[in-house]
Amino acid sequence: DQQVKQNSPSLSVQEGRISILNCDYTNSMFDYFLWYKKYPAEGPTFLISISSIKDKNEDGRFTVFLNKSAKHLSLHIVPSQPGDSAVYFCAGSAGNMLTFGGGTRLMVKP
Amino acid sequence: GEEVAQTPKHLVRGEGQKAKLYCAPIKGHSYVFWYQQVLKNEFKFLISFQNENVFDETGMPKERFSAKCLPNSPCSLEIQATKLEDSAVYFCASTRGGITTEAFFGQGTRLTVV
Repeated sequence: DQQVKQNSPSLSVQEGRISILNCDYTNSMFDYFLWYKKYPAEGPTFLISISSIKDKNEDGRFTVFLNKSAKHLSLHIVPSQPGDSAVYFCAGSAGNMLTFGGGTRLMVKP
Repeated sequence: GEEVAQTPKHLVRGEGQKAKLYCAPIKGHSYVFWYQQVLKNEFKFLISFQNENVFDETGMPKERFSAKCLPNSPCSLEIQATKLEDSAVYFCASTRGGITTEAFFGQGTRLTVV
């Protein structure tokens, strides 16, 4: 049973445009959601998080939106840059455990 | 240290051999988590520690996997009698106080069982 799903395995975007990465979840007990970015042969690095009581959190070019009724969150990157090309994982947190989605590979083309 | 240090980076073991992986969390972080990533896909939670105490071990295959976090030593994850399906990248992460705060990951140990 996949509690966190990222249905798009990959996404290609032109530099300067907006990247939107989506994530769906089933576990209502998640109290935080986090986005991680991963380059090949490296560990995931934390990008941005959102509490389940909020609907939006912004940090520079990155904004995370949470729609609790739809059990859906999204990460917006604007403007996208070639250095943003990586695999992005969304994760839900409950009871001191992080549950990850399968990741979305983002490719930003110059 | 200021980063989570995992050793070794790569480990190759014959089927049936033992594998031992190490993780030094960031100084001052009291929680350590182990994850298994198979085929560059999902991260499967294995076990977490609060200091040297097991916090949650619901993901651990009990028969062959064991883990420890002892004072003044790196944490370790040991697999007895490795199987082909244990081939994966094993990530360790640490947090200051629970997973709702930012978790810092190590670079991972790639275990290949042949």
